[in-house]
Amino acid sequence: GDSVTQMEGPVTLSEEAFLTINCTYTATGYPSLFWYVQYPGEGLQLLLKATKADDKGSNKGFEATYRKETTSFHLEKGSVQVSDSAVYFCALRKTNAGKSTFGDGTTLTVKP
Amino acid sequence: NAGVTQTPKFQVLKTGQSMTLQCAQDMNHNSMYWYRQDPGMGLRLIYYSASEGTTDKGEVPNGYNVSRLNKREFSLRLESAAPSQTSVYFCASSEQGQGQETQYFGPGTRLLVL
Repeated sequence: GDSVTQMEGPVTLSEEAFLTINCTYTATGYPSLFWYVQYPGEGLQLLLKATKADDKGSNKGFEATYRKETTSFHLEKGSVQVSDSAVYFCALRKTNAGKSTFGDGTTLTVKP
Repeated sequence: NAGVTQTPKFQVLKTGQSMTLQCAQDMNHNSMYWYRQDPGMGLRLIYYSASEGTTDKGEVPNGYNVSRLNKREFSLRLESAAPSQTSVYFCASSEQGQGQETQYFGPGTRLLVL
């Protein structure tokens, strides 16, 4: 079946450090790929997405590129802020499918 | 525009009690979903409704039932709660249930079963 593997956390960085959170997937067909962010006490919200190979999703300084050859969708940000502290989930979803498959989430803490 | 709303926000049950979690969306979306989130794990799909009048089992449906009351509302019922159902429950919706669509999530219901 489909699966998503994220780098294990927690990840602790200093403000203005470079962030990478690795995400790889296993799926048949051509899934769309997503990064969701969950702030404390809240539901998930979309951070960025890519719907086909080589697409780059970007938002709020975060970006991720859909790499079909390595089945990866790594999340990056050049300079993190304290306000980026949250749990980040990688997810895939297939065309015309009802459900998403989520990774286990990576907790990011950014210290001043 | 409230998005996806869930009630209650927090609930404590005793083993064997029943309860219904309510979810509503005001975005005119066709598809709605119920997930559970356990510590250190991603979200797992319990049930989903591709459109009004239809429901389908997800990855972990045992012990739950759902009702798609109308296009706006999708409820999740625990008939006889068990400690293993202690979790955070999220409702979500999307426009058509297509793969490339964004899902919009509610704030969650934290359930503790003693």
